[in-house]
Amino acid sequence: GAVVSQHPSRVICKSGTSVKIECRSLDFQATTMFWYRQFPKQSLMLMATSNEGSKATYEQGVEKDKFLINHASLTLSTLTVTSAHPEDSSFYICSARGHHYTGELFFGEGSRLTVL
Amino acid sequence: DAKTTQPNSMESNEEEPVHLPCNHSTISGTDYIHWYRQLPSQGPEYVIHGLTSNVNNRMASLAIAEDRKSSTLILHRATLRDAAVYYCILGDSGNTPLVFGKGTRLSVIA
Repeated sequence: GAVVSQHPSRVICKSGTSVKIECRSLDFQATTMFWYRQFPKQSLMLMATSNEGSKATYEQGVEKDKFLINHASLTLSTLTVTSAHPEDSSFYICSARGHHYTGELFFGEGSRLTVL
Repeated sequence: DAKTTQPNSMESNEEEPVHLPCNHSTISGTDYIHWYRQLPSQGPEYVIHGLTSNVNNRMASLAIAEDRKSSTLILHRATLRDAAVYYCILGDSGNTPLVFGKGTRLSVIA
């Protein structure tokens, strides 16, 4: 099946620094990508939707200046957590949908961010 | 968004069938019923989806009530690798994102 890959899988950074997480669709063109955040013992929370070549649409309560999303190509979307703080520590997961959506959404392996 | 209701947790013995219920009484005519599962420290994995008719694939079966207000995911023979959180989600066939609820945590006992 289609594969979505995230990198890095784990990252530890100091408070105040910025971290970039990449999400790649390896064998299909992802016209739409979604970014989720998941805190321990909780469900996935949708952060934003991005369409290739367009600005991302953020969910209510998600700061667009803090969580920068770029979807510059059909195979790559990036999430940059700017000026990270300990409360941004979470499991970040991307998912992708191709041109011919068959009802299956492909998810990355997730990236665990720890901010010290 | 249309909502779903699932039990918080369920337990099954290994090699026995598992029936995971989901209620979605406010489902609209265009909503598909999607099931995903998430193993610890991994991204969700697609299981199955359907609209009106029952569906079967290599992983599971999906039984949809005639009024579409509920559905049941059936794992025919649970294995230890099936221990995960199972999410029942309503979504259309377009570009709207899937919104996850709390899901059902399935434990499988050897």
